[in-house]
Amino acid sequence: DTEVTQTPKHLVMGMTNKKSLKCEQHMGHRAMYWYKQKAKKPPELMFVYSYEKLSINESVPSRFSPECPNSSLLNLHLHALQPEDSALYLCASSPGVTGELFFGEGSRLTVL
Amino acid sequence: RKEVEQDPGPFNVPEGATVAFNCTYSNSASQSFFWYRQDCRKEPKLLMSVYSSGNEDGRFTAQLNRASQYISLLIRDSKLSDSATYLCVVPNSGGYQKVTFGTGTKLQVIP
Repeated sequence: DTEVTQTPKHLVMGMTNKKSLKCEQHMGHRAMYWYKQKAKKPPELMFVYSYEKLSINESVPSRFSPECPNSSLLNLHLHALQPEDSALYLCASSPGVTGELFFGEGSRLTVL
Repeated sequence: RKEVEQDPGPFNVPEGATVAFNCTYSNSASQSFFWYRQDCRKEPKLLMSVYSSGNEDGRFTAQLNRASQYISLLIRDSKLSDSATYLCVVPNSGGYQKVTFGTGTKLQVIP
């Protein structure tokens, strides 16, 4: 069982909706990540939080808005998405010194 | 050379066979390397970490060749349950906050 928990597992939303993806880890990891993965492609980095501060934003469109309320939680707020944003959104955490990533099961997003 | 390069496959092998995948990387300063396994429509899961010359865990062996800048993953006595995509991951230099994923190698073990 994964120690990184993501909700919801599946989400269908219209282009005008506002929704949020949530991620929680209790491994004491100080780095947390959002990745986007399309079919048959490797995960693509979106954001990195280190010690609850945003440290990397890979030029992600502003319709994706990350938030890190505390060291265990990571949210991704979604607004005015496009159908091409449909993908598997993966949250990960890392001890931060070795490069190992621990992924949640992902939230499969469909934008209609 | 791409930062991390893998043969996409698919590798179709019979049960019980031995199969090996290679992954080449361009950053000669990289110190650690990882193999992840990803099942269809699931999340990647860490399979093996490689920090020195190699690592072995049961039927799985990962080897590092720094001179030629590649890591390999050897799977012995393949099982049907080994069918998955295997991702090679190399941390970027400077803090390990970013890693580079290979495109993955798909393995299909056939009865």
